[in-house]
Formats: sequence, structure tokens, C-alpha cells
Amino acid sequence: DAKTTQPNSMESNEEEPVHLPCNHSTISGTDYIHWYRQLPSQGPEYVIHGLTSNVNNRMASLAIAEDRKSSTLILHRATLRDAAVYYCILRDGQTGANNLFFGTGTRLTVIP
Amino acid sequence: EPEVTQTPSHQVTQMGQEVILRCVPISNHLYFYWYRQILGQKVEFLVSFYNNEISEKSEIFDDQFSVERPDGSNFTLKIRSTKLEDSAMYFCASSAWDGRVSNEKLFFGSGTQLSVL
Repeated sequence: DAKTTQPNSMESNEEEPVHLPCNHSTISGTDYIHWYRQLPSQGPEYVIHGLTSNVNNRMASLAIAEDRKSSTLILHRATLRDAAVYYCILRDGQTGANNLFFGTGTRLTVIP
Repeated sequence: EPEVTQTPSHQVTQMGQEVILRCVPISNHLYFYWYRQILGQKVEFLVSFYNNEISEKSEIFDDQFSVERPDGSNFTLKIRSTKLEDSAMYFCASSAWDGRVSNEKLFFGSGTQLSVL
């Protein structure tokens, strides 16, 4: 699976929007962009995923650059519960098993 | 929302002993996975399982590890002879993956913390 690059850590004030960047310059045409997060002492949790178009769900929005070499996870209003490690993961849509390979992610701190 | 359940939440064992970690995936899911996370490190893929056989495994998943779906609901990870370096949080996950984008997501359990003494 192609590699992603994320900042090690970010901070945000509570109730403000958060933009978490991810670079994936070697992405292939069949790679899906997945975001998961891991709250303290919990298993990873699905956030959102997309291929080419921007995506919205109740948790977040995913903005994908036109050349697909980068993407941004947007939390519209950060809450204390959003403090977690956020993982940007590429998954090849052509493979069968839907395995995910985690990197080190971005640790988001939310300041009250 | 349905969830993946794992038991026990904590397991302590002596080096060289066998351990079995248990998971109940979400009932209509077809793919099952084990991951582990050593304290302070990243989440590592161990194995995926589909249609009663291993679909893919990592280099970590050596002959000491095995997986089984003994009945219609449980999915287990067995470590035959535990080593100190097997101490980690082990996460089970399941997916309704059927080739469709809408079913891509993995659902993870809360994990079993394995401590090998």
C-alpha cells in the first residue's frame, strides 16, 4: 500500500474547526483514502473514506485535492471527545481482503 | 449500533504458555481481522480471515499464531507459546466487505491487553 505522511501532532481549540492534512504523493488511481481515529484506550474507529470526490458524513468531511496527492480531514467543530490519534490510510481498491495498514497518525489535542 | 466484542479485556500469562483471545464479530460480517498494538507504537496488521481460511497475513503472524472460527459467532487468535515481546493490545475487527465501497469500513473491538510475564 502507498505511503501517507501526516504531522505528528496538532492542537485545536474546542468548538473551532480542525483541518488535518495528509500527503500521499504516490497514490495510485485505485487507492481509496481512509481516515480512522483512535481514542485513548480504545480500538480504531472509522471516520470517513473517499476516492476522488469530497465526502461528508455526520462525523467529518474529507476534502481530496484534484490531483489526489493530498487530502484533508475536516472536523467542523472540535469537541473534547475528538481528542485522538487520526490515521490517514490508503487502500488499493483492486485487492480482495480490505486490509488496512496503519501509520503513526496525527495526535490531535483539543484545548478547552 | 452493532459492535465487535472481545474477551477478556486483560489477560496475564507466563512466558511459554498458550493463550486464546476471543472475539465476537458483527453478525452479518464476512471478513475478520486481528491487529496488535505494542504500547506506544502503531497498530500492526496480523491477519485477515474470510470463508474459513486466512486471506492475508503479515510477517508477524508466524507459526506461533493461529486463527479459528470455531462456530458461527466466535473468532479466536491463539498464541501457542507466548514470548515477552507478544505483550500488546490485540484488536479484533470485522467488515461487511463484499467489493462495494459502501461496505469497506472495518469495525474494531476495544481490545484485549495481553501481558506476558
